[in-house]
This record gives sequence, C-alpha cells and structure tokens, in this order.
Amino acid sequence: EVQLVESGGGLVKPGGSLRLSCAASGFTFSNAWMSWVRQAPGKGLEWVGRIKSKTDGGTTDYAAPVKGRFTISRDDSKNTLYLQMNSLKTEDTAVYYCTTDSSVLWFGESLYGMDVWGQGTTVTVSS
Amino acid sequence: EIVLTQSPGTLSLSPGERATLSCRASQSVSSSYLAWYQQKPGQAPRLLIYGASSRATGIPDRFSGSGSGTDFTLTISRLEPEDFAVYYCQQYGSSLLFGGGTKVEIK
Repeated sequence: EVQLVESGGGLVKPGGSLRLSCAASGFTFSNAWMSWVRQAPGKGLEWVGRIKSKTDGGTTDYAAPVKGRFTISRDDSKNTLYLQMNSLKTEDTAVYYCTTDSSVLWFGESLYGMDVWGQGTTVTVSS
Repeated sequence: EIVLTQSPGTLSLSPGERATLSCRASQSVSSSYLAWYQQKPGQAPRLLIYGASSRATGIPDRFSGSGSGTDFTLTISRLEPEDFAVYYCQQYGSSLLFGGGTKVEIK
C-alpha cells in the first residue's frame, strides 16, 4: 500500500525552527518527485515546495512566501522527505501535507498532479 | 505569475442537483496540467480530475472536468450527500499553485 506519514509538527515560537519528516512506503521513493503543501486554519491549500528525484537532478522549487527560509531535502536510503523550516512566522501556522504524483514513477513526468497525500502534521507558530 | 480564481466562493445546492464550479487563470494554462481536488473537513485533499478532464482512479463518473486556456470547469452531474465539500483547482507541471477553493454546501 502506498503511504505517506508526516511527523515533527508542534508548537514553536516566532523566529524558531522546526523540521518535518515524511516517511514513504509502498513505492520506489528514490524515483518520486515530492512536494509539501500547507493549509492555514480555515484557509485554502498552498503549495510550499517540491524536490525532484536525484535522477531528474534533485532540484528544489519553493513558493515565494517560504523561499530562503524553508529547505526541502530527501534521504532516499531512509525513504524519507524533510522540510526544514527556519525563521518561522505566525503566518506559517498550518497543517503541512506531504504529497507526490505517482505518474512520475511510471511515465517519468508529472501527469496527475498530486494523487498521494499524507494525513498532515500541524505546525503552530505562536509566542 | 499566474493566479487561479475559483468561483463562486460558496455554492448552495440540494442533493440531486447539478454543480458547476469555475476556475479561471490569469494567463493561459496548459490543459495537460490542470487538476481538481475535493477536501472534506479534517481530511487530506483527494485528486478528482487531472489533465483538465481525466478522472483519477476510483472517481465516480458524475464528476467531469472540461476547459482549456484560461477557463476550466468541474461539473458534478447529480450531487450525492458525500459530495458536499470544498473543491480546489490546481496548476501543476513546471509550476504549482492552487485556486482559492469553492465550498459546495447543502441548501
């Protein structure tokens, strides 16, 4: 069964740091392009960033609000995706989802969007 | 930078009625990379439609997507009780972003 399980959320003060993890199983993680998506309380979905597979360059892209503060990385030996969040602001308070497009595994390109999602982990930035 | 605007913000309908949701892009979007998601309270989003008009695995055929260029539509032919939720459109591929969402509520 394809599964993504996020962890690492919690309460942090403004200016602080936090690292989220996403454990993947049921598919060849090393070939996957992985994304983080967040959702502030009562708000819509916001794409945070993406990392491609090492085969496809391992490149990362970020949304403007988090660029320079957040870093996405992966450990293919552990089938784990990370989101390092620094200089956190109150507006970073959200549920953070790990997600992937399984079509990359079969076709080598993103055809579906985001068809596999974790259950999310909650980050609260407050003094 | 492309912006996706969804309308209406809220759609109040009764079970059995037809729902038509709009997603308008500020610049032309490749229809190959336009998706729709459903989200219920406390749950992760679920992919409904990809490539503007292809249903994802396991999605009932009452859900259909259409459109091209800057105007895309998600249609639910006959609303079932489980379809009342929030729906998001998304551009993906080289760049990724979501629309603001449309809530479909019971009238």
